[in-house]
Amino acid sequence: DGGITQSPKYLFRKEGQNVTLSCEQNLNHDAMYWYRQDPGQGLRLIYYSQIVNDFQKGDIAEGYSVSREKKESFPLTVTSAQKNPTAFYLCASSKVEGHYGYTFGSGTRLTVV
Amino acid sequence: AQSVTQLGSHVSVSEGALVLLRCNYSSSVPPYLFWYVQYPNQGLQLLLKYTSAATLVKGINGFEAEFKKSETSFHLTKPSAHMSDAAEYFCAVSSVVAGFKTIFGAGTRLFVKA
Repeated sequence: DGGITQSPKYLFRKEGQNVTLSCEQNLNHDAMYWYRQDPGQGLRLIYYSQIVNDFQKGDIAEGYSVSREKKESFPLTVTSAQKNPTAFYLCASSKVEGHYGYTFGSGTRLTVV
Repeated sequence: AQSVTQLGSHVSVSEGALVLLRCNYSSSVPPYLFWYVQYPNQGLQLLLKYTSAATLVKGINGFEAEFKKSETSFHLTKPSAHMSDAAEYFCAVSSVVAGFKTIFGAGTRLFVKA
């Protein structure tokens, strides 16, 4: 079955460390997205990509970086510059045309220890 | 600019009662509208979507939503709540003028009482 896989499900980071969250899809979707979810704040867009080797900043890109070297993969790096990284991170993919809706992964919960 | 507002961050209903989750949108062009459901510690799942066909849209798990242009609303309903419906629900909007970028509402947490 086609889907979108995020790993790991839980991740612990020491202060000052960079960590990378994995997102892989086999849906043949062109567009991929990273969202951050905090309690009571809904989903906030970090980065998105509509084509390989191209990506755009979302609303809260500071302290994060991404790459899109393959259509299937869109990893997110949380850098030490992100001062409050503890959150639930969601990856999604879609066809470029917006009326199909998004397919989401099951999320990665990142905690700073 | 597009936006979506979900009225009520928390809604509580009794099992068997009507579920009504409210969503109002703002869009300068005909929008695409979506409802997603999120269970604890999981990703979001698409419940239903409006894409300019029928204004009454049926989705999974017995949910439906009606697009009302005059009221700029897309409320989600289910005739009879089940305990398994307890989750967080997100309304979302996209359109061609926004490059099909989707804007999500803040979410409404549904509690179902036995």
